[in-house]
Amino acid sequence: EVQLVEAGGGLVQPGGSLRLSCAGSGFSFSDHYMDWVRQAPGKGLEWIARTSNKVNSYKTFYAASVNGRSTISRDDSQNLLHLQLNSLNTEDTAMYYCARARLGDGYNLDWGQGILVTVSS
Amino acid sequence: DIVMTQSPDSLAVSLGERATINCKSSQSLLSRSNSRNYLAWYQQKARQPPKLLIYWASTRESGVPDRFSGSGSGTDFTLTISSLQAEDVAVYYCQHYYDTPLTFGGGTKVEIK
Repeated sequence: EVQLVEAGGGLVQPGGSLRLSCAGSGFSFSDHYMDWVRQAPGKGLEWIARTSNKVNSYKTFYAASVNGRSTISRDDSQNLLHLQLNSLNTEDTAMYYCARARLGDGYNLDWGQGILVTVSS
Repeated sequence: DIVMTQSPDSLAVSLGERATINCKSSQSLLSRSNSRNYLAWYQQKARQPPKLLIYWASTRESGVPDRFSGSGSGTDFTLTISSLQAEDVAVYYCQHYYDTPLTFGGGTKVEIK
């Protein structure tokens, strides 16, 4: 069974930083592109970051809303996906999901349960 | 960036009736190289993560009931629930995966009339 489990969320002050993690299991983690998608309270889905796999040189891609203040990374030896978020503001308050892209395609086949990040003073 | 626009924002349908959701992209999602449309549909029930329903605009994911179908090509797409069931109450999103940034439509909330 495929599982994606996020961790590292919580309450952060404006201007602060946070590192989210996602543990993958039940599939060949290293083969897949992985994404972070977030959802502000009561709002829609927003894709924010993607990392490719080793075959594609671990290329990374970001949404404009987080570009320059976030870093997506992966540790294939431990089946972990990370998202470092810096210079947080209240607009970053959201549920953050990690998602697996289907091998060779771009859509999100599986999603974690999400982790809540609240930016507030 | 490709902008995805869904309509309506919400709709109420009687049990057993048809529900139709539209999604329009700001540029064509049809690839000339493989003749595929890079469009997916997701269902999100309350307090749950999204679930993949449809990919390549019309291919149903394994395990998804056949009352869900996707159609369209280029810039105009439709998700149809042929006979609405109580468990279909959810918000539905379209997503393009033609390139990055991936973007989602604003969502359509489906309720029972």
